[in-house]
Amino acid sequence: GIQVEQSPPDLILQEGANSTLRCNFSDSVNNLQWFHQNPWGQLINLFYIPSGTKQNGRLSATTVATERYSLLYISSSQTTDSGVYFCAVLSEGGGADGLTFGKGTHLIIQP
Amino acid sequence: GAGVSQTPSNKVTEKGKYVELRCDPISGHTALYWYRQSLGQGPEFLIYFQGTGAADDSGLPNDRFFAVRPEGSVSTLKIQRTERGDSAVYLCASSSQGDTEAFFGQGTRLTVV
Repeated sequence: GIQVEQSPPDLILQEGANSTLRCNFSDSVNNLQWFHQNPWGQLINLFYIPSGTKQNGRLSATTVATERYSLLYISSSQTTDSGVYFCAVLSEGGGADGLTFGKGTHLIIQP
Repeated sequence: GAGVSQTPSNKVTEKGKYVELRCDPISGHTALYWYRQSLGQGPEFLIYFQGTGAADDSGLPNDRFFAVRPEGSVSTLKIQRTERGDSAVYLCASSSQGDTEAFFGQGTRLTVV
């Protein structure tokens, strides 16, 4: 099945810093989503972005489908940005019909 | 409803018992998914429903697990003869169609003692 790799696995930053999270995937996709899992375990939708670039406030994302990667940018980090960020993809080439998740990036924003 | 709703939020059961976990998807969403998340890992796909039928159950770990969606809305994940290794957070998601944006519920934390 499709493989999803996220980097870095852990990231500790000071409040106000910017960060870039990366997601590499091994096959063509027809769905890619970024999620933030808060400390209570809820998966919060950030972006649905199988290709192109989107922005939402301090967050933006870019997916280059032809090169099989996606980037999530967080600017002017706040302590409430802490948590685990997951990239999840749906393979275009068959296999399971559900999303395949990466292992996540654990982000800690220190005041 | 406004979002995906899962009940119960927490379930503690004894090894060997039977459990049912419920998922109420976003109204009008035809696609429904179950995932399982172990500590420190990303969610893992279990089963996908399109309408009433299980279109893909390739992620179910063994025959102790099965799920139903009899009327194409609410779904129930059923686990027989629970084992301690079944302890995890079980997540449900729904989407308007099979490959569109998926939205997740808050999960059911299952603990088998």
